[in-house]
This record gives sequence, C-alpha cells and structure tokens, in this order.
Amino acid sequence: DTGVSQDPRHKITKRGQNVTFRCDPISEHNRLYWYRQTLGQGPEFLTYFQNEAQLEKSRLLSDRFSAERPKGSFSTLEIQRTEQGDSAMYLCASSSTGNSYNEQFFGPGTRLTVL
Amino acid sequence: SQQGEEDPQALSIQEGENATMNCSYKTSINNLQWYRQNSGRGLVHLILIRSNEREKHSGRLRVTLDTSKKSSSLLITASRAADTASYFCATFDTGRRALTFGSGTRLQVQP
Repeated sequence: DTGVSQDPRHKITKRGQNVTFRCDPISEHNRLYWYRQTLGQGPEFLTYFQNEAQLEKSRLLSDRFSAERPKGSFSTLEIQRTEQGDSAMYLCASSSTGNSYNEQFFGPGTRLTVL
Repeated sequence: SQQGEEDPQALSIQEGENATMNCSYKTSINNLQWYRQNSGRGLVHLILIRSNEREKHSGRLRVTLDTSKKSSSLLITASRAADTASYFCATFDTGRRALTFGSGTRLQVQP
C-alpha cells in the first residue's frame, strides 16, 4: 500500500499522560499536514511541513502540542499532559510541490480518547 | 476555524435519486475541493474546481462554483448505497498553505 499511513489507529489514554502519533506520507510527497477532527465537524488545520521545515502552525496548536519531521519523511505529533478536550481524530495528509492545486492525500487517522 | 457551511447538514435519499449539497465560504480562494469520508475513516479527494472555472464534471459528480456568491454545489447523480458518507468542501485560500474545511453534509442513500 503506497498511501498515507498512520500509527496507531486508536489510542486510549488517561488525562495527564503524553501520547505520540506517527504519520508516514506518500514517499515522493514533500508536504505534510496535520489536522484534527472532532465529532460532526470537518477537519481543522494544525500544522504544515515542507520537507523537514515546519512552515505554519495553527493557533489550535497549543504549547502542549509539538510536531516534528526530522528527516523530511515521516512525522510525529506529540501531545503532552493530555486533556479530555484533546479527544478527536488526528488526520495526516501529504501532497507534492508538483501539485500546484494542493490536492491532499489523507491517512486513515488516529482516534484519540482521553479518559 | 471552519471556513464555511455545508447545507444541508444531513440528507437521506433513495438509491437512484440525485443528491445535491451546497457549500458557502468566506474568503478569496485559489480553488475549492470536495472530499468524501466514510464513517470513521480518512478523507478521499473527489474533485477540484479552480477559481476561474464555473462547472466541472467527473463521472457521476458535477460541481459548480460561483465566486461572486462564494458558494459551490456538489451534485451526485444516480446515487448508490455506496455513496453513503460525509461530504466536505474545502478551500485552498489565497496566501495560505492548508485546506480549510466546512462542517460537512452527511448523506444516507437507502437501498
């Protein structure tokens, strides 16, 4: 399968714990995006990487959230001291700079439940 | 924040009927895209329309764009039970790098 993959698919954690999610984009894509989606809503942008550089962050990305893409390939999203309000689906997407219209390819998401 | 609103929020039709979903947005855009999401899954890109286009077709899909009214519509013709999903419009806004999604229309196609 050469699509975007995310791991884990589901994560249940207790409030106050740290969690880390991984995203592997399509191999030739140099742009990578993280979105968050709550029940009944559309995805909301969190952050964007071009290669290893984090070029844009949403105000939704509080200090407890950090994202990295150290070698310009896979990316991790870490949430520290989780809160119940962090419960959501976290979606990763990728695209290539050759795609000037920014069609994005999404992974299956990681569903986070904070108890 | 959500860019726009989809209308209706939910739609239930019989197999074979057409489904129309509308999307409104607020800012200047480079293009508008429609995505489908099956329950609990990732999003699948359906169709993209550029800001200088007014209508586009892809298979059973027809998209229109009216930039003067900042609105778009997605028509699915001859619907099938497999079309049951949530449909989102997303805009690629001038000066931004990410998509801004609406709140979605939940389509139920009854067999």
